Amino acid sequence: QVQLVESGGGVVQPGRSLRLSCAASGFAFRTYSIHWVRQAPGKGLEWVAVVGDDGEAKVYADSVKGRFAISKDFSANTVTLQMNSLRTEDTAVYYCAREGQWSKWYLDFWGRGTLVSVSS
Amino acid sequence: ETVLTQTPGTLSLSPGERVTLSCRASQSVRRSYLAWYQHKPGQAPRLLMYDASTRATGIPDRFSGSGSGTDFTLTISRLEPEDFAVFFCQQYGNSPVTFGQGTRLEMK
Repeated sequence: QVQLVESGGGVVQPGRSLRLSCAASGFAFRTYSIHWVRQAPGKGLEWVAVVGDDGEAKVYADSVKGRFAISKDFSANTVTLQMNSLRTEDTAVYYCAREGQWSKWYLDFWGRGTLVSVSS
Repeated sequence: ETVLTQTPGTLSLSPGERVTLSCRASQSVRRSYLAWYQHKPGQAPRLLMYDASTRATGIPDRFSGSGSGTDFTLTISRLEPEDFAVFFCQQYGNSPVTFGQGTRLEMK
């Protein structure tokens, strides 16, 4: 069955970096785009970034553009979110999710999330 | 960006009841590209509906979605104990993708 498992969350100081991973299994990894979505404490969900099925196309939310980088590792069936210059407002649970069919940006499978806390 | 407002914020109902959740967009959602998700604590969110009214694979037919333009609804015809959770909507017709704040459905 389709599984997405996030890892790499933790506590980090403002200005530092953190790398999140999303391990994918149970589907043809090469044929799906993968998204990251986050939820800050007490807030709604916020879309963060997407990487295309071929690993080339990448789109970011304005709030993370220039600081975060998304990538696909086809040898490990993993999507990585490299987060640099972290800010306190980046504190959130980060979810990875598989994009739906026909390049529509609904998300048909999600992971359980990993918590990132940015604090001094 | 398209702001999605979900009402009510919290609902307390009993199994067997019918419920309709609302998701209103600040501008028209292109092609009715709206999805609904169910989220229980500690679990992965689950896709219920996409394209406003298409049930995702494996979703029971007591769930139905409707709407277009700026007004969308998710209806659960007869609540089962496992349905109680947070429900949130997402629009993917306009850039950027945005989500509603969620409606918490509690068991009375």
